[in-house]
Amino acid sequence: KQEVTQIPAALSVPEGENLVLNCSFTDSAIYNLQWFRQDPGKGLTSLLLIQSSQREQTSGRLNASLDKSSGRSTLYIAASQPGDSATYLCAVEAGANSKLTFGKGITLSVRP
Amino acid sequence: EAQVTQNPRYLITVTGKKLTVTCSQNMNHEYMSWYRQDPGLGLRQIYYSMNVEVTDKGDVPEGYKVSRKEKRNFPLILESPSPNQTSLYFCASSLWFNQPQHFGDGTRLSIL
Repeated sequence: KQEVTQIPAALSVPEGENLVLNCSFTDSAIYNLQWFRQDPGKGLTSLLLIQSSQREQTSGRLNASLDKSSGRSTLYIAASQPGDSATYLCAVEAGANSKLTFGKGITLSVRP
Repeated sequence: EAQVTQNPRYLITVTGKKLTVTCSQNMNHEYMSWYRQDPGLGLRQIYYSMNVEVTDKGDVPEGYKVSRKEKRNFPLILESPSPNQTSLYFCASSLWFNQPQHFGDGTRLSIL
């Protein structure tokens, strides 16, 4: 059974810091890994999708990497801003039902 | 605007009173699914649909029903709600598998 782990559960950093969020998964038979952002009272917003054959994806200040063989992904956020404060979830898509298995998320607080 | 719309956003009801949470997407997506999000348990898939009239169970289908009579709509039905179905529910859609999934803003259900 696929398990996705995100540690730590919460993180607080000062504005301007570059930071890395980690995600690990137990079964490497995946279609892709996706990073989402969840704001309080809101749904999930897709940030980046890395196909299983890819090593990384970039969007603006965000860069996500994938090492499928070791079951790890990182989300790098450059020059963090208070507006980046949110919960970040990673999920892997696998199986005939195309199910997303989610980690429990990392709640990020960026202090002005 | 491309979106997934869920209604209602909030609902407080009583045990045993049938309810339906609607989900509609305007992106002509084939794949739709329902998740519930609970503290400490994260997001778990309830049901999914690969196409019109094609639905199947996810990880936690007990107590729920779905239907997919049209491509754009995927309602979640609780025939006899119970307090353990108190949760935050999300509908998601994607063009097909291995594509970014788009989430609605969520429906918070409280069953007393």
